[in-house]
Amino acid sequence: QVQLVESGGGVVQPGRSLRLSCAASGFTFSSYGIHWVRQAPGKGLEWVAAIAYDGSERYYADSVKGRFTISRDDSKNTLYLQMNNLRPEDTAVYYCAKDKLETSGYFQDYWGRGTLVTVSS
Amino acid sequence: IVVTQSPVTLAVSLGERATINCKSSQSVFSSSNNRNYLGWYQQKPGQPPKLLIYWASTRESGVPDRFSGSGSGTDFTLTISSLQAEDVAVYYCQQNYNTPPYSFGQGTKLELK
Repeated sequence: QVQLVESGGGVVQPGRSLRLSCAASGFTFSSYGIHWVRQAPGKGLEWVAAIAYDGSERYYADSVKGRFTISRDDSKNTLYLQMNNLRPEDTAVYYCAKDKLETSGYFQDYWGRGTLVTVSS
Repeated sequence: IVVTQSPVTLAVSLGERATINCKSSQSVFSSSNNRNYLGWYQQKPGQPPKLLIYWASTRESGVPDRFSGSGSGTDFTLTISSLQAEDVAVYYCQQNYNTPPYSFGQGTKLELK
């Protein structure tokens, strides 16, 4: 069955960096685009970043552009989110989610359970 | 594209109909394939979101048929025909038009009356 498992969250000081990972299994990882979506405590969902199935395209929300980098390692079936210059407003649960359709970037049908990132001094 | 949902909170009795609205700041309809790039998600406390509806009106596999989506262009609706206790959750719409960013609505909290 399809599984997505996030890791790498924790407490970090403002201005520092953190790298999140998303380990995928149960599907052909290299055929699907993957997204990061975050949710601040008690708040709604915010789309953060996406990478195409072949890594050829990467997209970012304005709120993280220039600070976050999404990447993938198909040999390890793993997605990454490198987060630099973290701010308190980046505090959230970070979910990874796969696209529903192969090779196209629309609608996310499987989600991980998330990893909590807390940015605080 | 900005996506706006209404109402923010909705209280409905068991067995009654629940209707949630979603409006996008620009059309998410593609005339090339006659599809609306709009999805609906359900999120229960402590859980990740779950895809309910995609292409505005196509029910995801395993989703009960009391859930339905409608609308086109900029105005969309999620309807639960007969509310069950397990439907209490927060519902989000999301546009997937063209390329990201794929914005979500602010969410609608559905409660029991």
